Amino acid sequence: SQTIHQWPATLVQPVGSPLSLECTVEGTSNPNLYWYRQAAGRGLQLLFYSVGIGQISSEVPQNLSASRPQDRQFILSSKKLLLSDSGFYLCAWSRGSSGANVLTFGAGSRLTVL
Amino acid sequence: AQKVTQAQTEISVVEKEDVTLDCVYETRDTTYYLFWYKQPPSGELVFLIRRNSFDEQNEISGRYSWNFQKSTSSFNFTITASQVVDSAVYFCALSEAGQAGTALIFGKGTTLSVSS
Repeated sequence: SQTIHQWPATLVQPVGSPLSLECTVEGTSNPNLYWYRQAAGRGLQLLFYSVGIGQISSEVPQNLSASRPQDRQFILSSKKLLLSDSGFYLCAWSRGSSGANVLTFGAGSRLTVL
Repeated sequence: AQKVTQAQTEISVVEKEDVTLDCVYETRDTTYYLFWYKQPPSGELVFLIRRNSFDEQNEISGRYSWNFQKSTSSFNFTITASQVVDSAVYFCALSEAGQAGTALIFGKGTTLSVSS
């Protein structure tokens, strides 16, 4: 069976510090991978998605970047965090490239920027 | 443009009450998919159901039921005899055929609180 792991679960960082959130998927190959952000009181905003190694698409220009160094690894980074980067970050995966595919989400990483 | 509207921000009910969560969507595509996800306090999103635009049959799964009406662009979710464990944020989402999850557009969610 497939599993998705996301870490760290909780992170408190000062403004201006770097960020690295990791996500890995097990039990499948060539998944589509996604990073979403959920800000307080708001819905889920798609940040990045990837259909293969080294292939990253950005949905919202911002202070964050994503990388996919391996088939089942997806990393969300920032060089200098802003207060507005606080939120709940969710990694997800799906099979194929159809809108019918169900996204399976990780447990999330809660980031607080002070 | 795609859009999902969940007009109910918060709903509070007492155990055993029935509750309906509303979802209205907008899309220009004739082929699309609708989803409901549940986010319990732990934070992880749990998939509940997927519906394609050609299947308007209502679906029932235990205490959960879904009413899909293309005429009103709605995909409402009803919980019958609610329980405390149903307390969560519920998200409705829309995606268009032929595209990856880039087209998975979420509503802002409805927070359901069920008290005993």
